[in-house]
Amino acid sequence: KAGVTQTPRYLIKTRGQQVTLSCSPISGHRSVSWYQQTPGQGLQFLFEYFSETQRNKGNFPGRFSGRQFSNSRSEMNVSTLELGDSALYLCASQIGTTPSGEQFFGPGTRLTVL
Amino acid sequence: AQSVTQLDSQVPVFEEAPVELRCNYSSSVSVYLFWYVQYPNQGLQLLLKYLSGSTLVESINGFEAEFNKSQTSFHLRKPSVHISDTAEYFCAVSERMDSSYKLIFGSGTRLLVRP
Repeated sequence: KAGVTQTPRYLIKTRGQQVTLSCSPISGHRSVSWYQQTPGQGLQFLFEYFSETQRNKGNFPGRFSGRQFSNSRSEMNVSTLELGDSALYLCASQIGTTPSGEQFFGPGTRLTVL
Repeated sequence: AQSVTQLDSQVPVFEEAPVELRCNYSSSVSVYLFWYVQYPNQGLQLLLKYLSGSTLVESINGFEAEFNKSQTSFHLRKPSVHISDTAEYFCAVSERMDSSYKLIFGSGTRLLVRP
């Protein structure tokens, strides 16, 4: 069974640009969550999608957005990039939405903003 | 809101020595607790989890963690570490958010195993 895949793996952008990251969950998983990982703030929850609906959103500005498609693939978009957006963005998928369910993480997309 | 504290940012240890990575959480209600491991340039992998029942949970590669409700702790231990255990370890708790749940992570502990 293929794991969670994220594309691209590495990305370099300049301030003011926008970026779109993609995540393909494990087949059959309907929940996709996104996390931002930085050395200073650690792992922070961005948002979660289930059946094409955003169910929860973390404490991030509106420049961060996402969506989920009918095949459960998800994208996240960051507009008007800032230097502080440089981070590893991790996507995780889960079969359902139980608190005890295991989240399976992808390898991440490392975004560098210059 | 719940929080997770990992007091040790880095733990150096010699190969074959025992190790304990500490984790404390803030919630006073029923919790689901997890330990994830992150190897360099990779995503997170679930190491073990506590849902209910026995307070001692084990992973397939020799790690174990003990849930201690009175001390609100979920420390991770291994009696004898290998070089390959060098990685960053994250403790996490599941928190309810509206209609679903999210993971709240600690700041991570970097385990450095030396020969």
